[in-house]
Parts: sequence; structure tokens; C-alpha cells
Amino acid sequence: AQSVTQPDIHITVSEGASLELRCNYSYGATPYLFWYVQSPGQGLQLLLKYFSGDTLVQGIKGFEAEFKRSQSSFNLRKPSVHWSDAAEYFCAVGPILTGGGNKLTFGTGTQLKVEL
Amino acid sequence: EAGVTQFPSHSVIEKGQTVTLRCDPISGHDNLYWYRRVMGKEIKFLLHFVKESKQDESGMPNNRFLAERTGGTYSTLKVQPAELEDSGVYFCASSQEWTGRWTEAFFGQGTRLTVV
Repeated sequence: AQSVTQPDIHITVSEGASLELRCNYSYGATPYLFWYVQSPGQGLQLLLKYFSGDTLVQGIKGFEAEFKRSQSSFNLRKPSVHWSDAAEYFCAVGPILTGGGNKLTFGTGTQLKVEL
Repeated sequence: EAGVTQFPSHSVIEKGQTVTLRCDPISGHDNLYWYRRVMGKEIKFLLHFVKESKQDESGMPNNRFLAERTGGTYSTLKVQPAELEDSGVYFCASSQEWTGRWTEAFFGQGTRLTVV
């Protein structure tokens, strides 16, 4: 069965510092890969996605993620964190198949706190 | 354009009672998904509608949960009778019809259900 592991439940960084959130997945084949963010009182928002091609993908709000097949990882990075990035971040995988592809398997989430 | 809207935002009910959650997808979106996050755990897929038909209900926990999407517009998720372990945040998402390419699913802000 597929699974997603986000080993860090909480992370605290200082504003302006770099950020890396880890994500490892277990899947039968290379799936679609996603990162979502949930800010307080908001729904989940898609940050970025990987389907194929260039393994470094750019997303919204200055985030990027790198797919490493050999490590089954899809870590999220940002060079300089802003206070508004404080939120919960979810890594997710989805099947590459017709009919949608939005039946997602999520990790447990990483809560990011930003210190001013 | 309005996003995915969920009602209520919070609900506190007693064990054994019935609760109905509602999701209004983005207008014109054929695909509608329900997910649930139990506290401290991952967000889990419950089911997927394509218009008014259940495409995949493999994630529904048991027969106390009933999802409907009459007319292919809004959807309801009824829990009857509610148990303590049903507490969590219920998310709804919608996406456009499948046309051979992946389309993004947009999430609502969730309904926080507490069973006491």
C-alpha cells in the first residue's frame, strides 16, 4: 500500500532563514507528487506538483521541491522564509491514471513556526 | 468565482447523534472528493463522486457514513450515529471533468467535527 512519511511534525525557523521540509513516499510506481499548505482558517492550497520531466519543480510563494527517485523523496525548500509562511504543510501522492488522479495519499503534515 | 464551501465550519455533537456535513463545490466541477483528518494523523481519502455517481468509496470507514450528491451539485456526508472516533476535520475538494489531463482539486476550509 502507498504511504507518505513526513518525519518532522514541528519545525521552527527564523524569518529569513532557509527551509527544507522532508517527504518520503512508498508507492508501486512513480506517482504524481504534491505539496499542499494549510494556513489557519483556510483550505488546503496546492504549492507545487511533480508529474515528470525536470526533477526540480517551482511552485507558488517562492517554494521549490526536488524529486529524487533513488531516495523516494520529494523535499520542499525555500531559500528565505517569511513570517507569513507559518502554516501546516502536507506532502501527498496520487495515482497516475485516467479519471482524475486526485485520490491523494497524504503525509501527517509538518507544522512550521516562523520566529521573527 | 467562489471556491469550495463547507458547512458548518464547526460542529459539536453528542455520541449517538446524527450530523450532516455539506459541501458546495466550485460551479461546473464534476469531480467531488471527501477527505478526513483525525487529530494528529494524516488526511485520508473517503470517497470520490463523478457528478452524482460514486466513483470510488473505498475510504469510507463503515456504514455509519452516508454520502450523497443529488443532481451532481452539492454533496452531503451524514454520520449516523456518531461515535467518538469520528471526531476530526472533514475536507471536501472538487475538480473539473477529466479530459485526459490532470486537473487541480481545490479544497474547502474543512468542517471540524467534535463528538463528545
